[in-house]
Amino acid sequence: GAVVSQHPSRVICKSGTSVKIECRSLDFQATTMFWYRQFPKQSLMLMATSNEGSKATYEQGVEKDKFLINHASLTLSTLTVTSAHPEDSSFYICSARGDRGRGNTEAFFGQGTRLTVV
Amino acid sequence: DQQVKQNSPSLSVQEGRISILNCDYTNSMFDYFLWYKKYPAEGPTFLISISSIKDKNEDGRFTVFLNKSAKHLSLHIVPSQPGDSAVYFCAATPLGGQNFVFGPGTRLSVLP
Repeated sequence: GAVVSQHPSRVICKSGTSVKIECRSLDFQATTMFWYRQFPKQSLMLMATSNEGSKATYEQGVEKDKFLINHASLTLSTLTVTSAHPEDSSFYICSARGDRGRGNTEAFFGQGTRLTVV
Repeated sequence: DQQVKQNSPSLSVQEGRISILNCDYTNSMFDYFLWYKKYPAEGPTFLISISSIKDKNEDGRFTVFLNKSAKHLSLHIVPSQPGDSAVYFCAATPLGGQNFVFGPGTRLSVLP
């Protein structure tokens, strides 16, 4: 079964509004969570890395003020796309690393969120 | 500069035959490698991994081979099944690293 739950799976919002995406680790404590973005027919592009209780580390070119990441607990991280524009339309995926009893060398992915900004 | 490369964007294989997906990397600090499978509009699913201390890891129909000197790894699927049709991503991480670096993916189509 799923070990990382991402919600919502699909969202359509108006330009200028904000959208929050949640990522939960279901049966383990995720010390580190990652947020990726995938454009059509392209690979996963890391946006930011977040550790519980500390500020996220953003990749070069990713606007911190636009993509707000909060990792308030060991099981929940959120990505808020602020003042969304049509060019923010994409597939956003979270992943979590933590100890599930087999060591923490795997990353488990959420189901992804398809964001469409109209 | 791509640190993880998957030079074949797509691959078609007949059902029952072997599928071989290739991955090359440039960063010699990478020492742990993973393969993920992804269906459209879904998150990637972990398939199999290999540590740099090994040259082969097998799990059912999936086998990953690692050639450190060539900085090359491959995923073998045998026998291939139509349900294996998906995009396969190779990923790598250095010892103690947090993030995985993903390749661009290879779209596998298994034809019935």
